[in-house]
Amino acid sequence: VQLVESGGGLVQPGGSLRLSCAASGFTFSSYDMSWVRQAPGKGLEWVSYISEGGSTIYYADFVKGRFTISRDNAKNSLYLQMNSLRAEDTAVYYCVRDRTYYDSSGIRGDYWGQGTLVTVSS
Amino acid sequence: DIQMTQSPSTLSASVGDSVTITCRASQSISSWLAWYQQKPGKAPKLLIYKASSLQSGVPSRFSGGGSGTEFTLTISSLQPDDFATYYCQQYNSRWTFGQGTKVEIK
Repeated sequence: VQLVESGGGLVQPGGSLRLSCAASGFTFSSYDMSWVRQAPGKGLEWVSYISEGGSTIYYADFVKGRFTISRDNAKNSLYLQMNSLRAEDTAVYYCVRDRTYYDSSGIRGDYWGQGTLVTVSS
Repeated sequence: DIQMTQSPSTLSASVGDSVTITCRASQSISSWLAWYQQKPGKAPKLLIYKASSLQSGVPSRFSGGGSGTEFTLTISSLQPDDFATYYCQQYNSRWTFGQGTKVEIK
């Protein structure tokens, strides 16, 4: 299993970025996926969730209306479109494998990418 | 929203010690709780899921317990590789993480 994020970088306040996560080594279309972020020196913060088929989406209140999660199962890829970025959005963003309905063990979050750093600064 | 409160924030211990970290949920989350280990510059690693199930490949010195609102992570006989930050996470409703517990060398 591999999750590889890309698309991070330096952006000015109010700007936009699109993060990507390339998945391999598992049946991507059978798994729900999530994004989690971690500000420098701080704890983990859940950002967004998308179901296996993309029909169910949730956002943390602090990104609602600014961020959009999506996926392309044909390309085994997860995305996070981030608009109206603020200094407080500065963080490492992780792509996380969530659950599959083919596994009843209750396991979620078993694989994480290495993260991509987003810096919002003028 | 469900809040998760971990204690202590920092824990000083020696190799061979047994340590316990506590996590409290603001409302019942049944057994929908996970524990992660994170080292500097690395992604979190899943240790325990569903409160007490050991993730594949994780040493048996790690154990989890509890249900409802009170949970524990115990590391019996701390090893040098265990000095890290530990997070609890509820996944009963969305995801919420505790603030983390840094386990440092005494």
